[in-house]
Amino acid sequence: DGGITQSPKYLFRKEGQNVTLSCEQNLNHDAMYWYRQDPGQGLRLIYYSQIVNDFQKGDIAEGYSVSREKKESFPLTVTSAQKNPTAFYLCASSRGTGVFGAVITDTQYFGPGTRLTVL
Amino acid sequence: SQELEQSPQSLIVQEGKNLTINCTSSKTLYGLYWYKQKYGEGLIFLMMLQKGGEEKSHEKITAKLDEKKQQSSLHITASQPSHAGIYLCGADRGLYSGGGADGLTFGKGTHLIIQP
Repeated sequence: DGGITQSPKYLFRKEGQNVTLSCEQNLNHDAMYWYRQDPGQGLRLIYYSQIVNDFQKGDIAEGYSVSREKKESFPLTVTSAQKNPTAFYLCASSRGTGVFGAVITDTQYFGPGTRLTVL
Repeated sequence: SQELEQSPQSLIVQEGKNLTINCTSSKTLYGLYWYKQKYGEGLIFLMMLQKGGEEKSHEKITAKLDEKKQQSSLHITASQPSHAGIYLCGADRGLYSGGGADGLTFGKGTHLIIQP
């Protein structure tokens, strides 16, 4: 079955600790994304990657880091610098179009999410 | 600032009734995406609209994009308990940040409850 997997489903972290959220896809998609969802605020983009070994900051990148060493994987690290990390984190991927500098349409497909709680 | 406005914020509908959710953009949309989410789960893609006046249907859900490409509506006919959840509209983020295929910006969502 093709799809996007995220692990773990629930994650608890003590203050001051870094934690890494996993995102894997077998859809052969070039582009991958990380969003954060908070109650009443919708989804906000953290980081995205259009191609392996390259990634860009989204709207709320502070306190987060990512890597894209493989096409299938896009892990997100929530660092101790993130002031309010408790949230629902969603990973997505899309085919990617290879077109840069132009607004285009490219449907994103989402994983099941990871709920992070800081104790 | 919120570039995509969804209304209503929440909606309680009796089973079998029709309903409409709206999504309005401050700028012309190149692509408008509708997703559904069950609480605590990922987003499920419903439809994408691209052309002015375009209309698409999936089972009992119909989405439309107006001619000016600044407003979209999602209409559910004869609602069922399975329709309950959060409906989100999304637009290409590059539209609001100066260009580039760089993720989506979302409305805050509409919480739909179906009463038996």
